[in-house]
Amino acid sequence: EDKVVQSPLSLVVHEGDTVTLNCSYEVTNFRSLLWYKQEKKAPTFLFMLTSSGIEKKSGRLSSILDKKELFSILNITATQTGDSAIYLCAVGRLKGGYFGNEKLTFGTGTRLTIIP
Amino acid sequence: SQTIHQWPATLVQPVGSPLSLECTVEGTSNPNLYWYRQAAGRGLQLLFYSVGIGQISSEVPQNLSASRPQDRQFILSSKKLLLSDSGFYLCAWSEPWSDRGNQPQHFGDGTRLSIL
Repeated sequence: EDKVVQSPLSLVVHEGDTVTLNCSYEVTNFRSLLWYKQEKKAPTFLFMLTSSGIEKKSGRLSSILDKKELFSILNITATQTGDSAIYLCAVGRLKGGYFGNEKLTFGTGTRLTIIP
Repeated sequence: SQTIHQWPATLVQPVGSPLSLECTVEGTSNPNLYWYRQAAGRGLQLLFYSVGIGQISSEVPQNLSASRPQDRQFILSSKKLLLSDSGFYLCAWSEPWSDRGNQPQHFGDGTRLSIL
């Protein structure tokens, strides 16, 4: 059974701090790893990683994947109160045939709280 | 640009009543469509996905069903709701799989369903 484990479960830091969120996985026929940010309603897409060692960056957020050790990290530098959210990690696997990578397995998320 | 609409935002239903949640996508054609349930403290659980009109795959045995009567419309239904059907239901879409590789899923704002 595919498994995605995120740590820590929750994290409280002060504004301006840097945080690192972790995601480890076990999945058959790995294809990609995705990060989402969920504030109140819809998870919003942050990054999709398919290759090891290549950092993806968007402003103060960055992420990298290690396919040998089966994990990814999401870094947020100079945190702001607007970064408070649940961060979800999901892993997609290749099903094969026409259907490709339809299936994502999600972790339970890391709840990040930024204190002003 | 593509948008996804889900309604209603919240719903309170008695046990044994029927259910119909609707999701529509605009700005794309032939999307892959998904229904997820998110329970408190748990990750998103994939319930159904569809790669085309009338094509539905069920991921977990349950009291719910899904239908795709039109290309960009996805409906989640139940004939008789159970207490255990309470939760946060999210619809998502992605571009169809192609040789360009995986495409991320994008989520609607969700429906919070409470069964009394």
